Amino acid sequence: AQKITQTQPGMFVQEKEAVTLDCTYDTSDQSYGLFWYKQPSSGEMIFLIYQGSYDEQNATEGRYSLNFQKARKSANLVISASQLGDSAMYFCAMRELNTGNQFYFGTGTSLTVIP
Amino acid sequence: DTGVSQDPRHKITKRGQNVTFRCDPISEHNRLYWYRQTLGQGPEFLTYFQNEAQLEKSRLLSDRFSAERPKGSFSTLEIQRTEQGDSAMYLCASSLAGPPESEYFGPGTRLTVL
Repeated sequence: AQKITQTQPGMFVQEKEAVTLDCTYDTSDQSYGLFWYKQPSSGEMIFLIYQGSYDEQNATEGRYSLNFQKARKSANLVISASQLGDSAMYFCAMRELNTGNQFYFGTGTSLTVIP
Repeated sequence: DTGVSQDPRHKITKRGQNVTFRCDPISEHNRLYWYRQTLGQGPEFLTYFQNEAQLEKSRLLSDRFSAERPKGSFSTLEIQRTEQGDSAMYLCASSLAGPPESEYFGPGTRLTVL
C-alpha cells in the first residue's frame, strides 16, 4: 500500500485565491511526522510546513496551513492568497518516527497560479 | 552556512562509466540522507547516515551503488557501471537528530546516462 497518496496531479488557482492540496497517508505507527515540500522548476526541495502526529493544533506557517484530520489520515495543505511564485510541484511526505527515519513521498501535485 | 550543497549539479555520462556525487550537509547536522527522484515522481529514499554510520539502506540501492560519509561530514554517492535507468535527480538532505521538522534538501545532482 502507498504510504502517501496525492490524488491531484495538477491544480490551477487564480492569483490571490486560496487553494487546497490533498494528501492522505497510511501508517500503523502512533508517532509520525507529516511534511509538505515545494519543488520549483529549479529542482530544490523547499520545506514548507510540519505537523506531528501528537500535535493538537493544525500547523501554520505564514500563508501555509496544514489541515490535519488524524481519524481520516489526511494532511491537506492550504495556501492562502496565492501568488505567481507559488507555481511549483508540491510534495506531501511522512516519516514514521518509531520505524526508521526515511521519508515517504507522494507523487506530487503541480500547482499553477493564473494571473 | 547557506544550506546543503551538492556537486556536481549536472552529470552526463556514458553507460558503463562510474560516477561519484558529493553532498556537503549543513555543518551541525548529524543526519544525512540520499534520495533519487525520477521524472514525475516524488523522491525515493536510498540511504541514511547518522554521523559516519550508514544505518539504513533501501532495496533500491543495488550493489552498484555505494555511499560513504567519512568522519561524519560530507558524503559521497558512487554509482558503478551506470545504466540508462540510473538517470535521475539525486537529492541529498540533512537534519539534526531530534525534531523531524529540521530536515533540509540540497539542490540535487541531475544524472543523465547516455
